[in-house]
Order: sequence, then structure tokens, then C-alpha cells
Amino acid sequence: RKEVEQDPGPFNVPEGATVAFNCTYSNSASQSFFWYRQDCRKEPKLLMSVYSSGNEDGRFTAQLNRASQYISLLIRDSKLSDSATYLCVVNIPLTGGGNKLTFGTGTQLKVEL
Amino acid sequence: DTAVSQTPKYLVTQMGNDKSIKCEQNLGHDTMYWYKQDSKKFLKIMFSYNNKELIINETVPNRFSPKSPDKAHLNLHINSLELGDSAVYFCASSQGRGVPNTEAFFGQGTRLTVV
Repeated sequence: RKEVEQDPGPFNVPEGATVAFNCTYSNSASQSFFWYRQDCRKEPKLLMSVYSSGNEDGRFTAQLNRASQYISLLIRDSKLSDSATYLCVVNIPLTGGGNKLTFGTGTQLKVEL
Repeated sequence: DTAVSQTPKYLVTQMGNDKSIKCEQNLGHDTMYWYKQDSKKFLKIMFSYNNKELIINETVPNRFSPKSPDKAHLNLHINSLELGDSAVYFCASSQGRGVPNTEAFFGQGTRLTVV
């Protein structure tokens, strides 16, 4: 089983739609969670951290369910500029220092007119 | 001022050659990483250093050798390059242990093509 699993998509949605991405992780020692965004031929960049109580940043809402080891990202009112690959990232602290950031395979989103 | 910079951005080389990619971060972070992103776009961790010490060494051919002269630099040397090494290599850095929700910052990537 992969450490972090995502549906690769692509998700093709019309502008203005609401779209949800899901992610599961296998290591229960995982301590922090993120969604990253990667545009074509660019480096990944942090979209938002995911907190236990759930958190919102504008049109984006992230949820975490530790019991089910499940993370989600909801995008409301999709814009053309939201087209990108969304990467679920799980951070496992290592004994002796450092962190291991493990990425999912990413979910591709295409927002169309 | 670029936070994580890696050079070169593009590298085209012949099979069998040896090449290096350099990475520097000016964020004062303790942890640095090398990731490989293949043609299927999967970002796979290769190595990680924390304060110049190797802490993650995933299943990577020993033709790949990382080197961290100080905590702001993490270079990657690749010997006897093979066609399958063609990929985008990303350097990243983050704060070390004890920092919750530590974000990783990525360099722009090095697109390696082996011909």
C-alpha cells in the first residue's frame, strides 16, 4: 500500500463548480498534513496546511480525519487559474531530527469555460 | 532573493557521464531534501539531510551520492548516468524537528535529460 494515496484524476470541471479531492495515508505516526499545488513544469508550492479542526482559506477548505487517516480538499467556485495538480503531503517526524515529507501522486484539476 | 536555488535548471548529457546538481537555501532551515519527479509526475523522496547528517536514504542506486558541506547546501552527484535517470530533480528545505506543520520550500527543479 502506498504511504499517501490520491485519485490521479483528471477532474475536468466547469468554471464555478465545487470540486473535492480525497487523500488517505497509511502511517498513523504522521503528524502534520498539507496540500501543495503544482503547476505544469513548476515546483510544488504550499497551498495550505491541514489542521485537525479543519480550516478554510478563501474558497479552499481542508479537512482531516485522523481516525480514518483521511484528508480532503474542497474548492468552491472554481476558477480557470485553479487548474493545476494538487498534492496531498504527509509529514512524519524522524527520531534524531528532521522530517520526512511524503507526497501523494497528485490529483490533476482542469477547470474549463 | 530566491529562497531555494538549484543549478543548473536544465541538463542534457550522454549516457555514462557523471554530473552534479547543486542546491542552496537561504532560509536558515535545518533539513534539506532531494526529490525525483519522473514522467508520471510522481514526486519521490531520494535523500534528506538534517544539519549536514543523512537521515533519509530511500532505495536509490548508489550511483547517486548526496553531499552536504553545510546545512545551507545539499548537492547531488550522479555517476554513470542512465536513460532512466531522466527526470526533474527538486531540492527542498524545511525547518527541523520540533517545528509543527513545517512547510517545505522547493527549488525550481533541474530537468535532466540523458541521451
